[in-house]
Amino acid sequence: DTGVSQDPRHKITKRGQNVTFRCDPISEHNRLYWYRQTLGQGPEFLTYFQNEAQLEKSRLLSDRFSAERPKGSFSTLEIQRTEQGDSAMYLCASSASPTFFGPGTRLTVL
Amino acid sequence: AQRVTQPEKLLSVFKGAPVELKCNYSYSGSPELFWYVQYSRQRLQLLLRHISRESIKGFTADLNKGETSFHLKKPFAQEEDSAMYYCALSIDYKLSFGAGTTVTVRA
Repeated sequence: DTGVSQDPRHKITKRGQNVTFRCDPISEHNRLYWYRQTLGQGPEFLTYFQNEAQLEKSRLLSDRFSAERPKGSFSTLEIQRTEQGDSAMYLCASSASPTFFGPGTRLTVL
Repeated sequence: AQRVTQPEKLLSVFKGAPVELKCNYSYSGSPELFWYVQYSRQRLQLLLRHISRESIKGFTADLNKGETSFHLKKPFAQEEDSAMYYCALSIDYKLSFGAGTTVTVRA
């Protein structure tokens, strides 16, 4: 499969726990994005990387969220001290224009 | 500020009827617009981009800068067109999405 992949596909956690998601982009794409999607809404931009550099973070990304892209390959998104409001679908995408999306990780915080 | 507006949450049409999904955007620069589609249990995938001016699966979309619109049209809807459709505007390499329109094509 040469598309964007994400792991895990589903995550259920208790409030206050930390979670980490992984994204593997299309190999030749140097831009990698994280978006969040809640019910009834379109995806909302969280952050993006150009190679290993994190170039922009949305105001939606509180200090409990951190993203990394070591060596400009895969990326991880960590959420610390999860809250029920963090429940959403977290989408990874990569781009060399246009943008291609992964299947998403659905997070449920109990 | 909401940059992309899709006024219809739900759209139901009969098979063979025309379908039009509305999209309006707010951007003072030169816009780059896309339509993405999400079929049931599948990932979000690109349907159209305005710069390519092509027809995909019978869908077309024309950018109207005067009306700041990028409506998606298909003259004869098929049952396999039932899906969620998102209009998106690219600004500084980031996509800003509308809330989406759920299309149901009835037999």
